[in-house]
Amino acid sequence: IAGITQAPTSQILAAGRRMTLRCTQDMRHNAMYWYRQDLGLGLRLIHYSNTAGTTGKGEVPDGYSVSRANTDDFPLTLASAVPSQTSVYFCASSRSGGAGDTQYFGPGTRLTVL
Amino acid sequence: GQNIDQPTEMTATEGAIVQINCTYQTSGFNGLFWYQQHAGEAPTFLSYNVLDGLEEKGRFSSFLSRSKGYSYLLLKELQMKDSASYLCAVRDSNYQLIWGAGTKLIIKP
Repeated sequence: IAGITQAPTSQILAAGRRMTLRCTQDMRHNAMYWYRQDLGLGLRLIHYSNTAGTTGKGEVPDGYSVSRANTDDFPLTLASAVPSQTSVYFCASSRSGGAGDTQYFGPGTRLTVL
Repeated sequence: GQNIDQPTEMTATEGAIVQINCTYQTSGFNGLFWYQQHAGEAPTFLSYNVLDGLEEKGRFSSFLSRSKGYSYLLLKELQMKDSASYLCAVRDSNYQLIWGAGTKLIIKP
């Protein structure tokens, strides 16, 4: 099935624990993104990657890291989770990251940090 | 700073027409997007405007005025399934999307 998958669907995590959110796309898109969505706020970009092997920081990168070893996968790691990282996390991908590029979203991961 | 403004919530009646406004102030402009997001689901792409004017796609139309920093999404012949949040996003000079907080549209029978 073409598209973007994310895992897990939801997770409850103790503060201080390490967590990796997984994202895989099979559309051969070059660009991938991680966003968080919080009530009353717009989607905020955490990290992005315009092509395999490169990554960049978004608006809210602190406390998060990413890697892009290949085209399909773009995991997001929380090294030591804090309650303020409770959010819904969306992974997205687009063909090139260029001007007219449309981003397509995965189903999201709902993360609760206690 | 960069800012996207849209109304928090709107209510409309099934079968009617509703216009959702979006104003923006961003560092550069490389297009404006509208997405639909049903509760608990991912955003899905609706429309893209980069030039001034109206883009029509079925029951949905989107308008852009770059000089005014303004866009609207027009939904016609509203159906109950149109109850969702509508997100406005602008691609800035760094080619990143800046998102509004979304407009929750409630459709009443």
